[in-house]
Amino acid sequence: NAGVTQTPKFQVLKTGQSMTLQCAQDMNHEYMSWYRQDPGMGLRLIHYSVGAGITDQGEVPNGYNVSRSTTEDFPLRLLSAAPSQTSVYFCASSRGQGIHGYTFGSGTRLTVV
Amino acid sequence: AQTVTQSQPEMSVQEAETVTLSCTYDTSENNYYLFWYKQPPSRQMILVIRQEAYKQQNATENRFSVNFQKAAKSFSLKISDSQLGDTAMYFCAFMKLEETSGSRLTFGEGTQLTVNP
Repeated sequence: NAGVTQTPKFQVLKTGQSMTLQCAQDMNHEYMSWYRQDPGMGLRLIHYSVGAGITDQGEVPNGYNVSRSTTEDFPLRLLSAAPSQTSVYFCASSRGQGIHGYTFGSGTRLTVV
Repeated sequence: AQTVTQSQPEMSVQEAETVTLSCTYDTSENNYYLFWYKQPPSRQMILVIRQEAYKQQNATENRFSVNFQKAAKSFSLKISDSQLGDTAMYFCAFMKLEETSGSRLTFGEGTQLTVNP
């Protein structure tokens, strides 16, 4: 049982490049979400999904796209990377509405130069 | 919108002693959940403890317990018999239940706890 798997763990991008952060879970969780972590600001919600084919915006969605074609996968796409997107990104999933807590991936450290 | 505040950016404690991390939140909701997550240097987010707002009894998990004061909107974490492995960033998080959309976690800024030998 792998839980929530994020790839890559580290990435350096040049300004303007695009890339996709991968997230997969094997727990058959309905809820999946993406957060970014910046120093002194905790974690902030980017996008989330309550099931395959359903996504919605969180607190800081600008510059990011998501899709949910399967229950297992929830990729996060950076359309045109900017230095302000330098951050640590976490994918999380939960059974139901998350009242028992979310399971987090190990994070992706992204640097945009 | 809900807000979560952790007023202690850093704290330290001696091994085997007790430490309390504070958290306050602002909401007009009555039905919600509160969590404490731990993030050690490995970066992994680990759920420490959870509390349902409708339960008056404070949650406990081994050496970890909370003091939940609903009227004061306060949710502090007490760590007893601190161990070196407790050194980590601790995040308080709030979640309200949404009827028609996904529930979201709102995090505080975090408290860096260092346990000294």
